[in-house]
Amino acid sequence: DAEITQSPRHKITETGRQVTLACHQTWNHNNMFWYRQDLGHGLRLIHYSYGVQDTNKGEVSDGYSVSRSNTEDLPLTLESAASSQTSVYFCASSESSFDEQYFGPGTRLTVT
Amino acid sequence: ELKVEQNPLFLSMQEGKNYTIYCNYSTTSDRLYWYRQDPGKSLESLFVLLSNGAVKQEGRLMASLDTKARLSTLHITAAVHDLSATYFCAVAPNTGNQFYFGTGTSLTVIP
Repeated sequence: DAEITQSPRHKITETGRQVTLACHQTWNHNNMFWYRQDLGHGLRLIHYSYGVQDTNKGEVSDGYSVSRSNTEDLPLTLESAASSQTSVYFCASSESSFDEQYFGPGTRLTVT
Repeated sequence: ELKVEQNPLFLSMQEGKNYTIYCNYSTTSDRLYWYRQDPGKSLESLFVLLSNGAVKQEGRLMASLDTKARLSTLHITAAVHDLSATYFCAVAPNTGNQFYFGTGTSLTVIP
């Protein structure tokens, strides 16, 4: 069965370190998204991609970057982790603009 | 700035009762999505509403969309404990493909 996976599921890192969160989907979807979820804010879009070599900034992109070298993967990099980036991160994908997004299991990141 | 507002934010209801969750948004959109999230889990798609007047039903849940009023509702009929979860609406503006999520409604159904 097709799925979307994230790794690691839990990560603790120190302030200032570079961290990369992996997202891999086997749906063959062109659209992929990264969100962060914080209490009181719902989900906020960090970056998104509509296909290979395409990346776009979302509403909370500062301090994050993504790259899309193939259809299946959209890794999210925190260039220099900050305590404000402690959050739960969700990756999602969709087939088209009108379809619902399918979400991965999430990564809980703690920056100390 | 696009806003998606849900109310109530917290809802405690008795089993067997009916209630409605509201989702208001501030942009022109014909696409509205409802998700469910259980504690510590990911988001599960419930409904996709793609036109004015769209109504979808699944079990005890029914969702509707009024694009002119910029309002979607999620109606719960005869609530049961298994419906306890957080419910999110998400809006995709007509001018883009990004989703904008509401802050969620935490529903607790009391036996």
